[in-house]
Order: sequence, then structure tokens, then C-alpha cells
Amino acid sequence: DAGVIQSPRHEVTEMGQEVTLRCKPISGHDYLFWYRQTMMRGLELLIYFNNNVPIDDSGMPEDRFSAKMPNASFSTLKIQPSEPRDSAVYFCASSFSWQRNYEQYFGPGTRLTVT
Amino acid sequence: KQEVTQIPAALSVPEGENLVLNCSFTDSAIYNLQWFRQDPGKGLTSLLLIQSSQREQTSGRLNASLDKSSGRSTLYIAASQPGDSATYLCAVTTNDYKLSFGAGTTVTVRA
Repeated sequence: DAGVIQSPRHEVTEMGQEVTLRCKPISGHDYLFWYRQTMMRGLELLIYFNNNVPIDDSGMPEDRFSAKMPNASFSTLKIQPSEPRDSAVYFCASSFSWQRNYEQYFGPGTRLTVT
Repeated sequence: KQEVTQIPAALSVPEGENLVLNCSFTDSAIYNLQWFRQDPGKGLTSLLLIQSSQREQTSGRLNASLDKSSGRSTLYIAASQPGDSATYLCAVTTNDYKLSFGAGTTVTVRA
């Protein structure tokens, strides 16, 4: 398997623009997670899905952030409008509930810079 | 809310010395504990996963222990090498299926 795939790997945008980050989980995995990593706050869970349904979005910082999972093989994290403080590395991870150890597999991340 | 703490925040050792990294968590109701490695500007590499019913896991020079009742885990890296220089992150999966991370320990192994 190719592992969790994220695109783009790097994104540079201007304040006020819309940003869309993409994630393809490992085939067959039924859980998908979005994380954000910053120097100040470390790694934080933003939202997670089970069988394409959002389960917990309590980590989403503001209404400017939204996430969707239209099918089992694709998810997006959208920021509209973007602000400089959104600059961070965004990771996507997936896991398989039948795998009892609940291990999460991480993608390579998207480094977002908002100027 | 689960709080994960890693001590020390940074560590510098000469090559060949054994490394001991500590992790503590506040809520013992966990499914598992994972240790990750992160190189500068890179993603997360999973090193070891210890299920809540286990006491330790080993992989090569790495050994991780888990004491769930006291909320502690230790990662041992034997005979450190310059290539072990990285940030090591501890994370626990709690009953709501969330993964909570520590802030990490940045390790430098001097040649």
C-alpha cells in the first residue's frame, strides 16, 4: 500500500485566500484524522471521521476551518479565509478499527505558509 | 482531558551512550501508547506501539516500557548514534479514540 497520501506537500498563499488540503487514507481504513503541528502548540487533533462521518470536531479552531469526507478514499480540510496564524504543518492519519491496537498511520504532511 | 508530558525537552549525549526518554500521561484509561520519531521538517515515523495490556515492546536498539497504572512510559535507545538525532514524540490513544501528543524530546547525539 502507498500509505496515507497528502497533497499538496507545500502551500504558500496570501492572507484572505482559500486553502484546500487533501488526504487519501490507506485503503480499507475506516477512521481518518486531521492534525495541526505548530511550534507553540505542538501536535493537535482538529477533527476525525469514522466511516466518512465527522465524529469530533472540537479541535477545529474557528469557523474558518471546515473538513469533509465525501467518500472512504478522500478528505479535504479547507481554510477560508486564511490568516498568517494558520501557518503550520497539517497531518492526516488513518486507522482501521478492526486492528485492535488502534494504531494510526500518518501522511507526510502539508506545510502551509500564509503571508 | 488527557495531558501528556515529556521530560526532558532536549537531550545531548556523546555517541555510544544510552538514551532514556520519559513520557507521562494523566489519564490511565488508554488503548495504547506510541512513540514516534520526527526529523526536522519531516513527517512522523512510528517507532513502537505498546498496547494497554502490554508492559514493553522492543525493536532493535529500541525498547519502550509502559506502566499504565502510574501513567508512565520510557523509551530506551541503546548505543546511540548520530543518526538517532531527532525529536521523539510520545502519544496515547484514549477511550474516545483520540491521540494526544506530548511536546517531544529533541535528541542530539554528538559524534
